[in-house]
Amino acid sequence: ETGVTQSPTHLIKTRGQQVTLRCSSQSGHNTVSWYQQALGQGPQFIFQYYREEENGRGNFPPRFSGLQFPNYSSELNVNALELDDSALYLCASSLTGRLTEAFFGQGTRLTVV
Amino acid sequence: AQTVTQSQPEMSVQEAETVTLSCTYDTSESDYYLFWYKQPPSRQMILVIRQEAYKQQNATENRFSVNFQKAAKSFSLKISDSQLGDAAMYFCASLTSGTYKYIFGTGTRLKVLA
Repeated sequence: ETGVTQSPTHLIKTRGQQVTLRCSSQSGHNTVSWYQQALGQGPQFIFQYYREEENGRGNFPPRFSGLQFPNYSSELNVNALELDDSALYLCASSLTGRLTEAFFGQGTRLTVV
Repeated sequence: AQTVTQSQPEMSVQEAETVTLSCTYDTSESDYYLFWYKQPPSRQMILVIRQEAYKQQNATENRFSVNFQKAAKSFSLKISDSQLGDAAMYFCASLTSGTYKYIFGTGTRLKVLA
């Protein structure tokens, strides 16, 4: 166990709906990153949050947005869901400025129908 | 652009034998780490081994070791005395000081045969 928890573990949504995924970071970690892992692929970086500000973004449209709270927990919001948004969403917590490994949660499996 | 390439979609190994998973990477950064992560069906990414780019010595963790060839930008994982529990997806990844984001390869599915 890494100490990073994500909720929910599974979710089914309809195309066009909105979804919020949650992540509780490891104690002492101030940075949260989100990754999308499509079936059979490696995780792709969505964005990173540090001190409640977005601190880097991958090649994802603006309908993917996030929040980080003062306790360093985080949310990933996706608006106007598309079928291609079906994937495993992984949260990773780390310490900014430290080039060491991040700790991953178990992920949220999102299915868009 | 930073890239990580895993050219073996799937590998098989007999229990107790040795297997090597391949990975090549490309980065313009001089300060970076390389990792191998294991992802079992439970989906949790589990760190197997990491290598600091500035260290010439290859990292070793029990049955897992790497062959880090910096000039060739190659980073292979060797698993010795393979066990049934080693069966999983293995991802190679880089992490650089410029962005602090992981770049993952596409993964190698490892099957361990009893």
